[in-house]
Amino acid sequence: EAGVTQSPTHLIKTRGQQATLRCSPISGHTSVYWYQQALGLGLQFLLWYDEGEERNRGNFPPRFSGRQFPNYSSELNVNALELEDSALYLCASSSNLDPGNTIYFGEGSWLTVV
Amino acid sequence: GEDVEQSLFLSVREGDSSVINCTYTDSSSTYLYWYKQEPGAGLQLLTYIFSNMDMKQDQRLTVLLNKKDKHLSLRIADTQTGDSAIYFCAESNSGGYQKVTFGIGTKLQVIP
Repeated sequence: EAGVTQSPTHLIKTRGQQATLRCSPISGHTSVYWYQQALGLGLQFLLWYDEGEERNRGNFPPRFSGRQFPNYSSELNVNALELEDSALYLCASSSNLDPGNTIYFGEGSWLTVV
Repeated sequence: GEDVEQSLFLSVREGDSSVINCTYTDSSSTYLYWYKQEPGAGLQLLTYIFSNMDMKQDQRLTVLLNKKDKHLSLRIADTQTGDSAIYFCAESNSGGYQKVTFGIGTKLQVIP
């Protein structure tokens, strides 16, 4: 069974541009989470989607947005990129049927803003 | 709000036991997790424990939970060089919504 898959693996953008990151959850999982892991800052919660709707949002500006599609895959969009947006963006998924409510992570997308 | 704290760094000799500690603030935490992140990779779930449990053992890993003190620990027996990674403690309170709060991660260095 495939795990959480993310694309692209690496992305280089210039300041002011927009970046789009994609995520496919584990089959059967309806919840998708996005986290930002910047150097030295640990994991910062960005967004949680479930059944196509945004359920919760971390403390990030509105230029961080996303959506979840009917097949439960998800996109994270970052507009007006700033240098400090350079980070590893991790997507994770979970299933409400899992008794541990465990979230499973993808390998991440490295975003570099120059 | 919820907070999860961990020490930043731990160094042990190969073959010794490692103990990584974590404290959390949310008294309604339902699930507590340990994840491992190797360099350049995503997070790998190691184990989790329900808040109504005190201990869980899985091969070389032992998780201890002191709910009164809101303290979680991960013990790795016979630590190997392949255990060198960053270990994240996390908690979730599934009350109505699912948001997992992570600690900053403890970097474990195993010295041969």
